[in-house]
Amino acid sequence: GENVEQHPSTLSVQEGDSAVIKCTYSDSASNYFPWYKQELGKGPQLIIDIRSNVGEKKDQRIAVTLNKTAKHFSLHITETQPEDSAVYFCAASSVAGSQGNLIFGKGTKLSVKP
Amino acid sequence: AAGVIQSPRHLIKEKRETATLKCYPIPRHDTVYWYQQGPGQDPQFLISFYEKMQSDKGSIPDRFSAQQFSDYHSELNMSSLELGDSALYFCASSFGPQYNSPLHFGNGTRLTVT
Repeated sequence: GENVEQHPSTLSVQEGDSAVIKCTYSDSASNYFPWYKQELGKGPQLIIDIRSNVGEKKDQRIAVTLNKTAKHFSLHITETQPEDSAVYFCAASSVAGSQGNLIFGKGTKLSVKP
Repeated sequence: AAGVIQSPRHLIKEKRETATLKCYPIPRHDTVYWYQQGPGQDPQFLISFYEKMQSDKGSIPDRFSAQQFSDYHSELNMSSLELGDSALYFCASSFGPQYNSPLHFGNGTRLTVT
């Protein structure tokens, strides 16, 4: 089955700096890769996703890149702000897996210092 | 915009008791998913339903069961509760069961078993 590894587990940056979180996956059939942001006491919130027919996707300060050959994908946050502080999860899913059966990484706790 | 509604937000039960968690998906979403998240852990997929039929099963214990009703809301029934069942339980919904249909999570039910 699919296995998703996420690094780093914790990340501390200064406000205004960029943050990068990386994930690798094992199942070459995976072709949907969402990223979730989870704040304390709340459920995971979808912030961006990418499908395997796209190499990069950007939404304002957030971008995701996908390298299918190497089986890894990354989240880039530019001009970080204190409100970006949260736990970020990457996930992978495939049509060969099952409907919506997302396999999550272990999460990255991002701290943005003012 | 309407989000996924879960109730109750908090639930305290004793060992061997039963618990019922409820989930109301985003309007027009026909697919619901249940996830379990232990402290400091990533969400683990339990079970999903599409159009009131079970569509996939993950690491759901035999003591747990779930169903989706005609109005698309779902309930997770947990019996013979154990201390290890203490966790956050999230429901997510999507429009359609496609593997790459974005999942939107509720804010969860925190279950504490004493």
